Order: sequence, then C-alpha cells, then structure tokens
Amino acid sequence: GESVGLHLPTLSVQEGDNSIINCAYSNSASDYFIWYKQESGKGPQFIIDIRSNMDKRQGQRVTVLLNKTVKHLSLQIAATQPGDSAVYFCAEVNFGNEKLTFGTGTRLTIIP
Amino acid sequence: EPEVTQTPSHQVTQMGQEVILRCVPISNHLYFYWYRQILGQKVEFLVSFYNNEISEKSEIFDDQFSVERPDGSNFTLKIRSTKLEDSAMYFCASSNTGGRTFFGQGTRLTVV
Repeated sequence: GESVGLHLPTLSVQEGDNSIINCAYSNSASDYFIWYKQESGKGPQFIIDIRSNMDKRQGQRVTVLLNKTVKHLSLQIAATQPGDSAVYFCAEVNFGNEKLTFGTGTRLTIIP
Repeated sequence: EPEVTQTPSHQVTQMGQEVILRCVPISNHLYFYWYRQILGQKVEFLVSFYNNEISEKSEIFDDQFSVERPDGSNFTLKIRSTKLEDSAMYFCASSNTGGRTFFGQGTRLTVV
C-alpha cells in the first residue's frame, strides 16, 4: 500500500552544523511533497514544499531535494540553531484529493 | 500572516459524551481538513471538506464523527459519543487547490 516513511527516528547535530533529514516514499504518483516541523504540544508548521516536477528547492536555511528515481526526499538545514530542535515530518499529496499522508517523523536535537 | 485557529486548546470529557471541536480556517482557502495525532505517533488524516461537503474520509472517521461548516468562517468536528481511544491531538488544516496546507495549533482531547 501507499506509505511515506523516514529512515532515521532520531538525529543529533552540533549547533552550527548542517543537518540532513531523509524520507522515503512509495507512491510514485504523488504530485507534491511538504516538510513540516512540529514542536512539542504544537501543530505541524509548514517549512518548505516541492512539486514532483522539480528536483530541488531552496528556502531560508533549508533545502529540499527530490529524487524521483529512488523515491527519496531530503531536508537540509544549514547552520542549525537550538530552535531547530523538533520533530520533522515529510508528507505527500496527490492533487485531486488534497489530503496529506505523513511519515512517522524524525526527532532532530541540536546540541549546544 | 493568516493562520488557522482552533478552540479550545484542551478539552476533557467523560466517555460517552459529545464534544465539538472548533476551527477557523484561513479565510481564502477552499479545502478544510481534520487530522489527529495520538501521543507519540504520526499525524493521521481524518476527513477533507470541499464545496460544503465531505470529499474524502479515512476509516477512522466512522459514524461517530461528523463535520460542519455552519457559517462562512467556522469549521467544526463533532464526536457524538467519545471513547477512551479518541484521546488525541486534533488538528484542523486548510489549503487551496495544489497549495500549501496550514495547520492550527490543535485541540488536545482527553477522554476519561
């Protein structure tokens, strides 16, 4: 069946270093992908998105890479800060039903 | 910046009671959603709502659940007879076609 999963459940990174969070998806027909950040007790916060016809998209300190050949998505966070500590989820969308299918999440911890 | 707002932030209810969770989606959005997240787990889709009707629902969204858009701004989720396993964070979200989905801060529902 369709699934969106993450390779690593936890990741610890030294403050100031770059981090990479990975995500594998199984539905090759997905049109659109979103990365969300979720802090404890809060709702998912939109970080960055990418459409399936793109390979790379950059935002402020974040970059998302999409490899459709191996159905892999990654989120790169540059120069990590303590405020980046959170759980990060990837989600996929099929245009037409618009619903999100979430992965299980990766907990990122920034070490001061 | 526009945001999705949810009330209440925390609701405690006795098993078998009815609860109504309230949301105000972003004003120019067309799609509305409810998701839930059981503690420590991933976010799960419940239902999507478009053009004043349910467009898709998950198997979680059984006859005990209903949604309504009573006026031009509010979007509600009703659980008719709550069960212990309904305890979770409930997130409202909204989006436009092919666009980014934004989440509210959630309502923590505790069924005792």
